[in-house]
Amino acid sequence: GDSVTQMEGPVTLSEEAFLTINCTYTATGYPSLFWYVQYPGEGLQLLLKATKADDKGSNKGFEATYRKETTSFHLEKGSVQVSDSAVYFCALSPRGGGNKLTFGTGTQLKVEL
Amino acid sequence: DVKVTQSSRYLVKRTGEKVFLECVQDMDHENMFWYRQDPGLGLRLIYFSYDVKMKEKGDIPEGYSVSREKKERFSLILESASTNQTSMYLCASREGRGSNQPQHFGDGTRLSIL
Repeated sequence: GDSVTQMEGPVTLSEEAFLTINCTYTATGYPSLFWYVQYPGEGLQLLLKATKADDKGSNKGFEATYRKETTSFHLEKGSVQVSDSAVYFCALSPRGGGNKLTFGTGTQLKVEL
Repeated sequence: DVKVTQSSRYLVKRTGEKVFLECVQDMDHENMFWYRQDPGLGLRLIYFSYDVKMKEKGDIPEGYSVSREKKERFSLILESASTNQTSMYLCASREGRGSNQPQHFGDGTRLSIL
């Protein structure tokens, strides 16, 4: 079945550091890929998405590129802020698969001054 | 913006009680979902509904049921609550059935079963 694997957390960075959170997936066909963010005490918010190979999703300084050859969708940001501290979830939706989203286990990011 | 509202942020119930978690969305979305979130396990789908009175089991439906009498409202029911159902519960909605449509989440209900 479909699966999403994320790097273990927590990831601790200093403000203005470069961020990479790795995400790889297993799925048949060409799924759509998403990154969600969960701030403390809140639900999940969509951060960005990509729906086909080589697409780049971007939002709020975050980027991720859909790499079919490596089945990856790594999240990057050039300069993190304390306000980026949150849990980040990678997810996939199978093409033609209707309703199901498969999530990774989440990666906690802590940004310190 | 899509608004998904869960009726309670925190809830404490006793073992054996029947528990109702309510979720309402304001964007006329066809699809609604219930997940539970546990540390180290990510989000797991309990049930979803793609139309009024329609429901399908997710990955972990045991011990739960759902009700969707109106399009905007999707209820999760714990028939006889047990301590292993202590968790964060998240409701989501989505427009259409296309795989490229994102799900929109509520703020969650943190449920404790004593």
